[in-house]
Amino acid sequence: DIQMTQSPSSLSASVGGRVSITCRASQPIGTYLSWYQVKPQKAPRLLIFAGSRLQSGVPARFSGSGSGTDFTLTIRNLQPEDFATYYCQQSYSTSWTFGQGTNVAI
Amino acid sequence: DVQLVESGGGLVQPGGSLRLSCVVSKYTFSNYWMNWVRHTPGRGLEWLANIGQDGSETFYANSVRGRFTISRDNTRNSVFLHMTNLRVEDTAVYYCALGSAGYYYGMDDWGQGTTVIVSS
Repeated sequence: DIQMTQSPSSLSASVGGRVSITCRASQPIGTYLSWYQVKPQKAPRLLIFAGSRLQSGVPARFSGSGSGTDFTLTIRNLQPEDFATYYCQQSYSTSWTFGQGTNVAI
Repeated sequence: DVQLVESGGGLVQPGGSLRLSCVVSKYTFSNYWMNWVRHTPGRGLEWLANIGQDGSETFYANSVRGRFTISRDNTRNSVFLHMTNLRVEDTAVYYCALGSAGYYYGMDDWGQGTTVIVSS
């Protein structure tokens, strides 16, 4: 299986601030990389797909970049509703895998 | 919007079996790959399995291969996850999900989840 490693595992940030979360794949995956937001008691929400494409309805303060093995999710101008856990996920191999998650807290 | 509704979760003893169902509405179900994903607070999100549009292709995570079986019935717009030999660590919220943009482009529609508790 392709291992997805996120860093950091958790971080603290302020409203209006900017955070970056990195995701590293154990082998090259092109841009077959998605990012999700998870809040307690809610279904995951797709934010970014194909490495950098913004899902419809997702605010433009979210952005994704990267290809190959290294990817980044950046959130600018953090809003209160952005405090959540974020996961990367690869769909390059037939056995998809998620990263372990990054908790963004106040 | 697509609507996905899971059912079939519950309390089961270790070693037991359970069959989860997911009904998809407001969409041409047979056009899409379908996935099962689970979530636990401690281990996060875990992709479990997916199945192709006509059911001829299935793929599994190593952690569940041989114990879980994914299937679908396009006449009933439904996807299933048959889980056997359940372990305590299978306790989780289970979601069905699909990617409306295609196989490689993320899962953009999810159900509300169904809770499975494996405990004696």
